[in-house]
Amino acid sequence: KAGVTQTPRYLIKTRGQQVTLSCSPISGHRSVSWYQQTPGQGLQFLFEYFSETQRNKGNFPGRFSGRQFSNSRSEMNVSTLELGDSALYLCASSFGEEETQYFGPGTRLLVL
Amino acid sequence: DAKTTQPPSMDCAEGRAANLPCNHSTISGNEYVYWYRQIHSQGPQYIIHGLKNNETNEMASLIITEDRKSSTLILPHATLRDTAVYYCIVSPYNNAGNMLTFGGGTRLMVKP
Repeated sequence: KAGVTQTPRYLIKTRGQQVTLSCSPISGHRSVSWYQQTPGQGLQFLFEYFSETQRNKGNFPGRFSGRQFSNSRSEMNVSTLELGDSALYLCASSFGEEETQYFGPGTRLLVL
Repeated sequence: DAKTTQPPSMDCAEGRAANLPCNHSTISGNEYVYWYRQIHSQGPQYIIHGLKNNETNEMASLIITEDRKSSTLILPHATLRDTAVYYCIVSPYNNAGNMLTFGGGTRLMVKP
């Protein structure tokens, strides 16, 4: 089975812009979770989608949003980018009822 | 906040067993112990998980104490490719939401 894929792998944006990141889960997985990783804060949970519904949300401002499509693919959007949004954004998928999450390679975002 | 405590760093000689400890003294009855690792700049990789019995797979062994307040991940014959940050996470199974809370992890350095 192919693993979790994320696109793009690298991205450079400037402050004030918005960005959309994409995640394709492992075939058959219905849950997609997003995480942000920075040197200062470590790995932090952003949100999780299951069957197109947001099921959990971490402690991030409303500029961070996401959605999930009927084929389980997910996108996350960050509006009005700030320098502090520079991070590795990780997507993980799981079958749904099972906790084990499998991570993608991440999208590295640099905000200038 | 993470519910686990791990040493920030450890060294291990190549070919020797690496024993990574984790304290989770507030673990509750329905929480599993999960181990992930993250090799530099890649997405976290699932290693193993368990509830109360010891577990073994092709990657590692997990030893959980009888009171479940601590566990040890064992890499039986560490190689240079096992150099990574290892995360111990406690999380309930079927918690109606896949949200992993990562702590600081243990940075394992395997030396020749």
